[in-house]
Amino acid sequence: DAKTTQPNSMESNEEEPVHLPCNHSTISGTDYIHWYRQLPSQGPEYVIHGLTSNVNNRMASLAIAEDRKSSTLILHRATLRDAAVYYCILRDDDNYGQNFVFGPGTRLSVLP
Amino acid sequence: AAGVIQSPRHLIKEKRETATLKCYPIPRHDTVYWYQQGPGQDPQFLISFYEKMQSDKGSIPDRFSAQQFSDYHSELNMSSLELGDSALYFCASSPRTSGGALETQYFGPGTRLLVL
Repeated sequence: DAKTTQPNSMESNEEEPVHLPCNHSTISGTDYIHWYRQLPSQGPEYVIHGLTSNVNNRMASLAIAEDRKSSTLILHRATLRDAAVYYCILRDDDNYGQNFVFGPGTRLSVLP
Repeated sequence: AAGVIQSPRHLIKEKRETATLKCYPIPRHDTVYWYQQGPGQDPQFLISFYEKMQSDKGSIPDRFSAQQFSDYHSELNMSSLELGDSALYFCASSPRTSGGALETQYFGPGTRLLVL
């Protein structure tokens, strides 16, 4: 899997939008961009994934740069329950059954 | 909705003892993954199984072994435990879909192993 880089930590106020960046300058044409998060003392949780177009789901939005070398996970209104470590992971279409490579992700703190 | 079940949730062992962790995937999921997460670290992949066959292997020590059974549940067997094996062990499952890039892994709550 291609390498990703994320800020170590970010801070947000409750009910404000949060933009979590991820750089993946060596991404290949068949790599999908996945985001997972891990709340304290819990297993990682799927958030969203995309290939080229921006994606929205009930949890978040994913904005993908035109050259695909970076992406941004957007939480529209952060809540205290969104405090977690967020991981940006690349997945190659040929690698079914292969492991996910986690980290280091971004530790998001949400202030009340 | 049913989730991945792991047992036990907590386990305390002494050095050189053995431990068996169990994972029950989500119904109709045929692929199981094991990850280890040490204190303050990110999850690290150990091993995975698809249809009872090993499909990928990561940084799993030789002292560890795992298998997937006919009902798709999986067990991680750990022998000659060391202090450094103290960690959270996560199991994840996924359904077989076309295109590995679209695969979503669903994680269990983990087993916290403490080796004294």
